[in-house]
Amino acid sequence: KAGVTQTPRYLIKTRGQQVTLSCSPISGHRSVSWYQQTPGQGLQFLFEYFSETQRNKGNFPGRFSGRQFSNSRSEMNVSTLELGDSALYLCASKIMGNEQFFGPGTRLTVL
Amino acid sequence: QKEVEQNSGPLSVPEGAIASLNCTYSDRVSQSFFWYRQYSGKSPELIMSIYSNGDKEDGRFTAQLNKASQYVSLLIRDSQPSDSATYLCAVNPRNNNDMRFGAGTRLTVKP
Repeated sequence: KAGVTQTPRYLIKTRGQQVTLSCSPISGHRSVSWYQQTPGQGLQFLFEYFSETQRNKGNFPGRFSGRQFSNSRSEMNVSTLELGDSALYLCASKIMGNEQFFGPGTRLTVL
Repeated sequence: QKEVEQNSGPLSVPEGAIASLNCTYSDRVSQSFFWYRQYSGKSPELIMSIYSNGDKEDGRFTAQLNKASQYVSLLIRDSQPSDSATYLCAVNPRNNNDMRFGAGTRLTVKP
């Protein structure tokens, strides 16, 4: 069974731009969570989607948003990029319980 | 106080030794606990999950949970150089899908 996939793997943007990241969960997994990982702050929870509904949200500004489609694929959008948004963005999926499986991540660099 | 605390390390052990990784959490009603391994430049990989007090063994790995002390640990027996990675402790405070991660402990196993 294929794992969680994320596209693109690397992205370079400039301040003020916006970006959309994509995540395809493991087949059959309906829950998708997004995390930001930086050296200074570690892994931080952004939000979780289940059946196209945002079920939980972390403490991030409104510039960070997401959505989930009927096939469970999810996208995350960051508007008005700031230098501090440079990070590894990780998507994780699960089918039940709490065991999450991570994708390879998208490395975003904001110049 | 951080919600999930780990010794940042680095922790260095010789090959064949037991590596002991520790984690404490602040929310007393936390239900689910996880250990992830993250190699440099890679995404986190789930190693163990534990939900009840006591020990849970899987191969060379043993997770230990003490809810009264709000403490969870990971023991790696017969440590191998390939175990060298950062180990992340994760806690789901109230089974609300909002996973909280520790900063991680960097482990180095020396041949």
